[in-house]
Amino acid sequence: NAGVTQTPKFQVLKTGQSMTLQCAQDMNHNSMYWYRQDPGMGLRLIYYSASEGTTDKGEVPNGYNVSRLNKREFSLRLESAAPSQTSVYFCASSEPRSGGRYGYTFGSGTRLTVV
Amino acid sequence: TQLLEQSPQFLSIQEGENLTVYCNSSSVFSSLQWYRQEPGEGPVLLVTVVTGGEVKKLKRLTFQFGDARKDSSLHITAAQPGDTGLYLCAGAHSGYSTLTFGKGTMLLVSP
Repeated sequence: NAGVTQTPKFQVLKTGQSMTLQCAQDMNHNSMYWYRQDPGMGLRLIYYSASEGTTDKGEVPNGYNVSRLNKREFSLRLESAAPSQTSVYFCASSEPRSGGRYGYTFGSGTRLTVV
Repeated sequence: TQLLEQSPQFLSIQEGENLTVYCNSSSVFSSLQWYRQEPGEGPVLLVTVVTGGEVKKLKRLTFQFGDARKDSSLHITAAQPGDTGLYLCAGAHSGYSTLTFGKGTMLLVSP
């Protein structure tokens, strides 16, 4: 099925460890996004990539880095995990100029716990 | 700063009841979207509204965009347990901008 695939689905890290969350889409979308979702806070944008070769900070970028590997793949890296980064992470994709019309397609999320 | 305020935050009703969820902002949006999110899954787009005053219907769900394009509502008629989920509104300030999400309304429909 066409869509956005995220790996892993679950992960437990110790404080200070690093990891990379992977995201791939097969809809030929140009734009990709990383959000985190926390209780009472809603979805907050971490980083986004409007097109291959570009990345920009969102609302909460501190502690994260991203790489737009190619048109299909957009990864999120935590260099030194902190308990405050315990969250559910969602990757999404869309067409530029239509993010306001055709919506985002989301992956099923990565549930990350930092202890 | 919360740009999109959703109300209520939680709603627990019986099957067959009607309900309305609201999404309000002081900002003007070029378009507004509604998503539904089920436990353990990502949000799924329900509808996009782009014209002030626009009304769209999706089976028992009716979506309205305010005349000034600052607010929206979602009305569900004769709610069913399958409607249970987190309903999120999201707005775009232009066709090129990223979406800003509200915090959501958690709906529980009991049989």
